[in-house]
Amino acid sequence: GAGVSQSPSNKVTEKGKDVELRCDPISGHTALYWYRQSLGQGLEFLIYFQGNSAPDKSGLPSDRFSAERTGGSVSTLTIQRTQQEDSAVYLCASSFLGGSSSYNEQFFGPGTRLTVL
Amino acid sequence: AQSVTQLGSHVSVSEGALVLLRCNYSSSVPPYLFWYVQYPNQGLQLLLKYTSAATLVKGINGFEAEFKKSETSFHLTKPSAHMSDAAEYFCAVVLGAGSYQLTFGKGTKLSVIP
Repeated sequence: GAGVSQSPSNKVTEKGKDVELRCDPISGHTALYWYRQSLGQGLEFLIYFQGNSAPDKSGLPSDRFSAERTGGSVSTLTIQRTQQEDSAVYLCASSFLGGSSSYNEQFFGPGTRLTVL
Repeated sequence: AQSVTQLGSHVSVSEGALVLLRCNYSSSVPPYLFWYVQYPNQGLQLLLKYTSAATLVKGINGFEAEFKKSETSFHLTKPSAHMSDAAEYFCAVVLGAGSYQLTFGKGTKLSVIP
């Protein structure tokens, strides 16, 4: 079956521009996560969506970052007024939420490499 | 609070030699622990996980890891390295059942010398 897909695979933008990154989770997965992978900071959690619950935005680094998930499926991560320090690989993951008594494996997409010039 | 420390950002081994990648964690509650592998230009793939059952965990591609509570460690091993094992490996921790936020180590890049 299809895994998590992300688009674009690469994005080059100029400082100050807005960018949108897209994630298509595995069909049937109710939970969706965004992570950022950068040279200086490693892998960092950004945001988590689960069903119709309010998202956990605790990892977003600034108010220039926002994300939404439409119809409980596709998610878009938006970065406004991009800065050079936003350059990183943005990874999306999804999981089936099986309840509090189990760990629900996160399946990762290939990532979007963002370069801010 | 929880954190993960991976010793060695880069490890080189000869083909056929033992692979040992080190991971230590700190967690206020019994954790779930994971090893992920990332090949160039690809996402993360789960190698194996510890979720409070057997302390010796076997994963894919011949890898295994042992949870040692007394040492707060979860080192990854493979008896004999293969060229295809060259990749970056990440150790990660989650607080426990029902938790979802993975905290990752900085990663260890494994090179395999023919």
